[in-house]
Amino acid sequence: KAGVTQTPRYLIKTRGQQVTLSCSPISGHRSVSWYQQTPGQGLQFLFEYFSETQRNKGNFPGRFSGRQFSNSRSEMNVSTLELGDSALYLCASSLAFERGRQETQYFGPGTRLLVL
Amino acid sequence: AQSVTQLGSHVSVSEGALVLLRCNYSSSVPPYLFWYVQYPNQGLQLLLKYTSAATLVKGINGFEAEFKKSETSFHLTKPSAHMSDAAEYFCAVSNPGRRALTFGSGTRLQVQP
Repeated sequence: KAGVTQTPRYLIKTRGQQVTLSCSPISGHRSVSWYQQTPGQGLQFLFEYFSETQRNKGNFPGRFSGRQFSNSRSEMNVSTLELGDSALYLCASSLAFERGRQETQYFGPGTRLLVL
Repeated sequence: AQSVTQLGSHVSVSEGALVLLRCNYSSSVPPYLFWYVQYPNQGLQLLLKYTSAATLVKGINGFEAEFKKSETSFHLTKPSAHMSDAAEYFCAVSNPGRRALTFGSGTRLQVQP
């Protein structure tokens, strides 16, 4: 079974631009979560989508948004990029049952975003 | 609120020596606990997880961890380090009903020949 895939793997943008990152979960997985990893703040939860609905959101400004499609693929968008948005953005998928039974999250390789 | 503390941002061991990576958690409800490993330029790979079954959890690559409620700890161990174990290790916690993971700051393991 193919793992979680993320595109693109590397991205360079300038301040003020916007960016869209894509995540394809493992086949059959319905939940997709996004995390930001930086040297200073470590790994931080951004948001989680299940059945095309945002179920959970971390403590990030509204410039960070996401969505999930009917095939469970997910995108996240960052508008008006700032230098501090430079990070590795990780996507994780899990089977996820409606009642929130804990399922293992499987991570993709990440998209490394550099904002100049 | 939940949190994770990993003691020691860098740990260095000799090949063949015991590996001990420390993790303490704070959670208002019985938590789920995880250890992930990250190799350079890669995502996170699950080593093992605790979900309220056996307190001693065995994972991949010879790693294991013991859940100790009285000490709020979930330390990761491996009896004999291998060069390929050099990587960054993250302890994470989540609460039942919430899939969001809260991660510790990570411990970089160096294995000396």
